[in-house]
Amino acid sequence: QVQLQESGPGLVKPSETLSLTCTVSGGSISGYYWSWIRQSPGGRLEWMGNVYYSGGTNDNPSLKSRVTMSVDTSKNLFSLKVSAVTAADTAVYYCARQATRSGRLDYWGQGTLVTVSP
Amino acid sequence: DIQMTQSPSSVSASVGDSVTITCRASQYISSWVAWYQQKPGKAPNLLIYGASSLQSGVPSRFSGSGSGTDFTLTINSLQPEDFATYFCQQTDSFPITFGQGTRLEIK
Repeated sequence: QVQLQESGPGLVKPSETLSLTCTVSGGSISGYYWSWIRQSPGGRLEWMGNVYYSGGTNDNPSLKSRVTMSVDTSKNLFSLKVSAVTAADTAVYYCARQATRSGRLDYWGQGTLVTVSP
Repeated sequence: DIQMTQSPSSVSASVGDSVTITCRASQYISSWVAWYQQKPGKAPNLLIYGASSLQSGVPSRFSGSGSGTDFTLTINSLQPEDFATYFCQQTDSFPITFGQGTRLEIK
């Protein structure tokens, strides 16, 4: 059974960089896209972008190039960085496996709350 | 970006009822739609992909239909564990986008 686990600081100061890691267990990171999705306090889901196991990325233009994603196949993990954060970046952040053909998000991490506050 | 508009935003129903949730895409997306269920404090859980394919392990009372721009999720014979929030998602093109969610409440 594939499992994903997000890790990283729960509190980030405004203007700093948010960094999260998602560790994949129970399966290989190869052959899939790996996505980041966040959910605002109001409940809206926003797809932030994904990284292919070979390193290629797609990101959401709404984030205005503040997002960097990477993958480490040797450690079976992938990472997210969001620069110049503001209070609007406060959300629950999820990592998920994305099937290459259908695009479905079939395995998700439990989510981690990141709060942006001085 | 492709906008996904879900309706209703909330619905009340009783155990044993059937419920239908709709999702309309702002442009043609073939059958590239998935549906998720989310319970409070939990991650979304995949129910349907490709508009009508049931994800492994999901009860058969869940079904999806539609193509083009209009899609539906139907839940037959509602069970107590089905009361949750449901989201549609388009996977036709980047950026992937979600509907705003439909909250299914017990009447």
